Amino acid sequence: DAGITQSPRYKITETGRQVTLMCHQTWSHSYMFWYRQDLGHGLRLIYYSAAADITDKGEVSDGYVVSRSKTENFPLTLESATRSQTSVYFCASSEQGYYNEQFFGPGTRLTVL
Amino acid sequence: KNQVEQSPQSLIILEGKNCTLQCNYTVSPFSNLRWYKQDTGRGPVSLTIMTFSENTKSNGRYTATLDADTKQSSLHITASQLSDSASYICVVRAGGSYIPTFGRGTSLIVHP
Repeated sequence: DAGITQSPRYKITETGRQVTLMCHQTWSHSYMFWYRQDLGHGLRLIYYSAAADITDKGEVSDGYVVSRSKTENFPLTLESATRSQTSVYFCASSEQGYYNEQFFGPGTRLTVL
Repeated sequence: KNQVEQSPQSLIILEGKNCTLQCNYTVSPFSNLRWYKQDTGRGPVSLTIMTFSENTKSNGRYTATLDADTKQSSLHITASQLSDSASYICVVRAGGSYIPTFGRGTSLIVHP
């Protein structure tokens, strides 16, 4: 299907485990983003990527790792999950350009016990 | 530091009534401002974009305004419907950057 997809949609894990959240887009957009959304904080940028093999940290990147070997995929890994990483995670993509609207995936709800 | 502040934090109105949401920003230099609508359990979706030269733009029952001098934007919803219940997020992009600054959103509840 065309668009931007995330998997899994729901995930429960335990403290200390490694977790990978997947993001896939079919538009060949240059930019991809990972956000977390918590009550009272709105959307906060974790990592972003301007192109394949180019990634950069956002404001809340500690404890997270990303990679982008292909334009269409942008996985987010929690190296050792902590309870504070319980959140809803959104992936987004956008074209490079003045109007660069971000298109968001449906989100992954992650619970760390 | 670039910041986007939205008010009110939450709002409850009756179906059929109008409402206005506010967004103040300190992003500089200004490039554009978007309003997103986020339904519960879904990702945000763009409603409209405002550029420096635009004062008003409508998208159906949604009308956005921009005052670049005072660095304020508003989103006016006319004749609200139950489906308007959502979070509305103001997002501002600075010139030269593809990384936008997000507001925390206004949660709107429309009651029948």
